[in-house]
Amino acid sequence: KNEVEQSPQNLTAQEGEFITINCSYSVGISALHWLQQHPGGGIVSLFMLSSGKKKHGRLIATINIQEKHSSLHITASHPRDSAVYICALEMDSNYQLIWGAGTKQIIKP
Amino acid sequence: DAGITQSPRHKVTETGTPVTLRCHQTENHRYMYWYRQDPGHGLRLIHYSYGVKDTDKGEVSDGYSVSRSKTEDFLLTLESATSSQTSVYFCAISESEEGSPLHFGNGTRLTVT
Repeated sequence: KNEVEQSPQNLTAQEGEFITINCSYSVGISALHWLQQHPGGGIVSLFMLSSGKKKHGRLIATINIQEKHSSLHITASHPRDSAVYICALEMDSNYQLIWGAGTKQIIKP
Repeated sequence: DAGITQSPRHKVTETGTPVTLRCHQTENHRYMYWYRQDPGHGLRLIHYSYGVKDTDKGEVSDGYSVSRSKTEDFLLTLESATSSQTSVYFCAISESEEGSPLHFGNGTRLTVT
């Protein structure tokens, strides 16, 4: 069983739609990262969460430590949001991150 | 954006040759990481550093070595490149051990022929 599961694997939506990407995990963590990788390859760190909720512009990330679940929401989605979104777990006692498989998102105009 | 520069951005090399990739940061962050990204595997940690001259192995360290002689530079060396090391390599930095955001470089695409 994978320690981290992302869903959906692929997502296609129309511009303006509200998007949710989910990340479930089965291990104890000290933090969870949401990252974005654009088709050109660059990776951008969106959020780092250890509890609660964070918001940045149209992006909202939440985490429920008890349920071992995090969500990334995008409001008023735009074609420039087309990218791969990855969640990564930061372990309690370890420098290594455990990476989700990523969600490939395409937003159509 | 965090000041991370990877060089070169692209490289093609022949099997058996040594290759060195450079990661340079201007943020004075203590932690630096080298990852490789391959289809179907996501990002995998090769080596990491928690300070000058302090490095340790990651998940896929075989065939790679690293050096960190100063805070701002973290070098990744492929001692004798193989075709299986064809990949995109990302450097990342973070300020502290736990809970700090990761900042990534733009990646180096390496092709070993």
